[in-house]
Amino acid sequence: RKEVEQDPGPFNVPEGATVAFNCTYSNSASQSFFWYRQDCRKEPKLLMSVYSSGNEDGRFTAQLNRASQYISLLIRDSKLSDSATYLCVVNKGWGTGFQKLVFGTGTRLLVSP
Amino acid sequence: DVKVTQSSRYLVKRTGEKVFLECVQDMDHENMFWYRQDPGLGLRLIYFSYDVKMKEKGDIPEGYSVSREKKERFSLILESASTNQTSMYLCASSGRNTYGYTFGSGTRLTVV
Repeated sequence: RKEVEQDPGPFNVPEGATVAFNCTYSNSASQSFFWYRQDCRKEPKLLMSVYSSGNEDGRFTAQLNRASQYISLLIRDSKLSDSATYLCVVNKGWGTGFQKLVFGTGTRLLVSP
Repeated sequence: DVKVTQSSRYLVKRTGEKVFLECVQDMDHENMFWYRQDPGLGLRLIYFSYDVKMKEKGDIPEGYSVSREKKERFSLILESASTNQTSMYLCASSGRNTYGYTFGSGTRLTVV
């Protein structure tokens, strides 16, 4: 079983739609969580951290459910520029100050006019 | 902003060649990582380093080695390149007080 699992998609949505991605992770000791965005042929870039209480950054909302080992990303009012692959990321590092990130294979989003 | 620089954007090498991929970061980060990314397989960790001259194997170290002689530089070495090492190679770094990693722009290596 993969440590981090995501639906690869693609999710095809029209501009203005709301879309949600989910991700599950297997290591219950994981301490921190992230969503990264990767454009075609570019490097991954940090989109947002994910907190247990849920957090929002503009049109993006991330949620964490530790009991179910489940992470989600909601994008409201989708823009053409949101087209990318979204990577779910889990930190299995130890102690303070060291992160060892495990990346999901990503969910591809295509937003059309 | 942290900058992670990879020396080459595209490389073409022949089977059996020794290949060096260089990565430099400018924010005094302690930790550096090398990943490869392949379609359908995502990012897979090859090696990482949490201090100068320290190195740890990741999930797929076979066929690779690394060198970290200076804090800012982490080199990935393919001792004898093979066609199954054709891939996108991504270097990343992180510090003790940072969230997540910062990636370099990647090196697309083709072994022919």
